[in-house]
Amino acid sequence: EVQLVESGGGLVQPGGSLRLSCEASGFTFDDYAMNWVRQTPGKGLEWVSGISWNSRYIGYADSVKGRFTISRDNAKNSLYLQMNSLRPEDTALYYCAKDSSSSSWHFLDCWGQGTLVTVSS
Amino acid sequence: QSALTQPASVSGSPGQSIIISCTGTSSDIGTHNLVSWYQQHPGKTPKPIIYEVTKRPSGVSYRFSGSKSGNTASLTISGLQAEDEADYYCCSYADGSTVVFGGGTKLTVL
Repeated sequence: EVQLVESGGGLVQPGGSLRLSCEASGFTFDDYAMNWVRQTPGKGLEWVSGISWNSRYIGYADSVKGRFTISRDNAKNSLYLQMNSLRPEDTALYYCAKDSSSSSWHFLDCWGQGTLVTVSS
Repeated sequence: QSALTQPASVSGSPGQSIIISCTGTSSDIGTHNLVSWYQQHPGKTPKPIIYEVTKRPSGVSYRFSGSKSGNTASLTISGLQAEDEADYYCCSYADGSTVVFGGGTKLTVL
């Protein structure tokens, strides 16, 4: 069974930093691209970032480009999101999602339960 | 990276069919056959129901089908059931190696 477990969320002040982690199991992690997607409470989904199986290809939404950094450690079956210069509008539930592709991102076929990030003073 | 446009809400009676539209641009839906749809019940994780415009993942009911014409994708749910009441999101790969979601549509089964 595919499992994705996010961690690292919490309350942070504007301008602060957080590092999210996602531990994967139940599939060959280094065969697939991975994504981060966020959802504002009561609102819609927003793709944040994606990374290919070998970290060669990386993409970001314009809203986080230059502030967030995605990375992965295939030896640890783990995905990460380093979030710097956080803003109140970054407050959301952050999901880790497996892609069906290895080198791109377009079908998120398995999602974690999410970790909540709150940016507030 | 503008969000895809979906109706805020749709409704239908049990047994009926409904269609949810998702309008994008030539930079996303119009160019890439990489449209997917997700169903989300309150408090739950999004569940993929359609990928690559028309394909259903294993285990998804045949009552869900997808299509695309030009810059607009559509999700059709036939034989509406009470359990179909949920939020539905469309999603497309877009130029610049990004992904864009729709704003979501709340389906009410009357």
